[in-house]
Amino acid sequence: NAGVMQNPRHLVRRRGQEARLRCSPMKGHSHVYWYRQLPEEGLKFMVYLQKENIIDESGMPKERFSAEFPKEGPSILRIQQVVRGDSAAYFCASSATGGEGNTIYFGEGSWLTVV
Amino acid sequence: SQQGEEDPQALSIQEGENATMNCSYKTSINNLQWYRQNSGRGLVHLILIRSNEREKHSGRLRVTLDTSKKSSSLLITASRAADTASYFCATAPKAAGNKLTFGGGTRVLVKP
Repeated sequence: NAGVMQNPRHLVRRRGQEARLRCSPMKGHSHVYWYRQLPEEGLKFMVYLQKENIIDESGMPKERFSAEFPKEGPSILRIQQVVRGDSAAYFCASSATGGEGNTIYFGEGSWLTVV
Repeated sequence: SQQGEEDPQALSIQEGENATMNCSYKTSINNLQWYRQNSGRGLVHLILIRSNEREKHSGRLRVTLDTSKKSSSLLITASRAADTASYFCATAPKAAGNKLTFGGGTRVLVKP
């Protein structure tokens, strides 16, 4: 039973390019979360999605960042016109429901380096 | 300071010793979860403790929760070199649904 699957694991982009990070939740999970981790820091919440809906995007930067979780296929975190400050590890997580008391499982992360 | 602050920031112990780390938070929570992260890897879920629970065990791990003091502790007994990792507490504030807030983590080094 696969856990939360993220790809790519490592991504290098030049400034101004686009980065697309993909996440497939655990089987049976319909709630997806994206977090960002800067070096030596904890994770910061970015966005919470259910299928075809953005539930909470309070942690998303106002520009250049977008996320989707279509009816079919993985969730995508898209960063347009990347800058050096976007270099970080991006973690996807999933849960079975959005109710309290749910264990939230994390993927292995996608490490973005902007050069 | 932010919701979910771990203390100490770093801990170095000998194999076989116990490791204790604490987490403090500010707002009322639904639950608190502890995660482990090895360098360059994802987060591994360790334990979830609900706001109406005071203590929970899982193998060599013991977690306590004191909602009156808004704090939690994670104890790793009989530590092993493989326990070397960063440990994070994450709170689910009551107003925030399933949105987890992480602290900066405790970096634990277990020396063989």
